[in-house]
Amino acid sequence: EAGVAQSPRYKIIEKRQSVAFWCNPISGHATLYWYQQILGQGPKLLIQFQNNGVVDDSQLPKDRFSAERLKGVDSTLKIQPAKLEDSAVYLCASSLDRANEQFFGPGTRLTVL
Amino acid sequence: SQQGEEDPQALSIQEGENATMNCSYKTSINNLQWYRQNSGRGLVHLILIRSNEREKHSGRLRVTLDTSKKSSSLLITASRAADTASYFCATFSSNTGKLIFGQGTTLQVKP
Repeated sequence: EAGVAQSPRYKIIEKRQSVAFWCNPISGHATLYWYQQILGQGPKLLIQFQNNGVVDDSQLPKDRFSAERLKGVDSTLKIQPAKLEDSAVYLCASSLDRANEQFFGPGTRLTVL
Repeated sequence: SQQGEEDPQALSIQEGENATMNCSYKTSINNLQWYRQNSGRGLVHLILIRSNEREKHSGRLRVTLDTSKKSSSLLITASRAADTASYFCATFSSNTGKLIFGQGTTLQVKP
């Protein structure tokens, strides 16, 4: 069974530039999550999708972050414009439903200079 | 905000010894999950324990849950160098509908 795919694995940008991350979840998983993990901390949920609808985006900085899940499968997370404090690993995860175990992708390490 | 708090923050042991990590949380939960993260990788699910369960085993892993004390522990027996990683507890509540992670325990197992 293929796992959660993410790209790119690494990205370096300058502040005020824009960046986009892509995630392909495990086939059949209805719930998709984007997390931000700052070095030395646990993952923080940014946004949670159920199929192609948003069920929680309370911690998403909506002035600069946006996300969508097209046709209830792949998802993209965008940051525009990036700030220095956005430097982190962005993890995508998926699950059959929200109460079950989550399967994580390898993450995208973003460095904002 | 972080729901779970792990203790200790860092742990260093010799290969073959047991490692115990603790997790405390604040509000009622439906289940508690433990994840492992190797350096530079995504998280891997280890075990899920429901609020009506007290203990669960998986290979060398033993997880306990005490809902009266709002705490859980993860025991890794006969540790190996390959167990070196960060371990996170995460709590799920149907009230919030989301999984909230703690800060993690960094475990180093010396060969």
